[in-house]
Amino acid sequence: QKEVEQNSGPLSVPEGAIASLNCTYSDRVSQSFFWYRQYSGKSPELIMSIYSNGDKEDGRFTAQLNKASQYVSLLIRDSQPSDSATYLCAVSNSGYALNFGKGTSLLVTP
Amino acid sequence: NAGVTQTPKFQVLKTGQSMTLQCAQDMNHNSMYWYRQDPGMGLRLIYYSASEGTTDKGEVPNGYNVSRLNKREFSLRLESAAPSQTSVYFCASVSGSSEQYFGPGTRLTVT
Repeated sequence: QKEVEQNSGPLSVPEGAIASLNCTYSDRVSQSFFWYRQYSGKSPELIMSIYSNGDKEDGRFTAQLNKASQYVSLLIRDSQPSDSATYLCAVSNSGYALNFGKGTSLLVTP
Repeated sequence: NAGVTQTPKFQVLKTGQSMTLQCAQDMNHNSMYWYRQDPGMGLRLIYYSASEGTTDKGEVPNGYNVSRLNKREFSLRLESAAPSQTSVYFCASVSGSSEQYFGPGTRLTVT
């Protein structure tokens, strides 16, 4: 069973702080890793993809991948109330399927 | 570019009725997928199409059929709706690097 695990939260951070979202996966041959943001009642929106070990930065978002530890994280700097959403981690082994975690709910408080 | 579009946005069916959910993409992707999302269950793959002319079952295909009409369009059909099919349905268009781009979803209630 290929699993992607996320803490369901809610993770509450004050405005301006760094939000750290974590994800672990069980399939060692996974090659592609994604973070999606989903606002309540809306569809998932791709915000970051990462394919190799290390950090990848895009604006206020940084994705971190450690394949040896089977761990991927998303950091959101200078968190804003508009970042309040559910964040889905997704993992692919280059086969047909993306395995999604159930998501972490983030609440940024003013 | 519209990206991925889905129709209808909302639908209420009675048990036993049939319907087709439509999905279209203008991203020139080969692969398209159908998911359902239920509270506490996350996103589950129903069917996928790796390329025009091919379709395959995902994790939860029972009660559904699909048609890949052409490269742009991928439809999902419920032949005899059941209350267990009450869900939010998402279509996704998939890039060559496995990035998935989702449509706005169809919220289906079966009574």
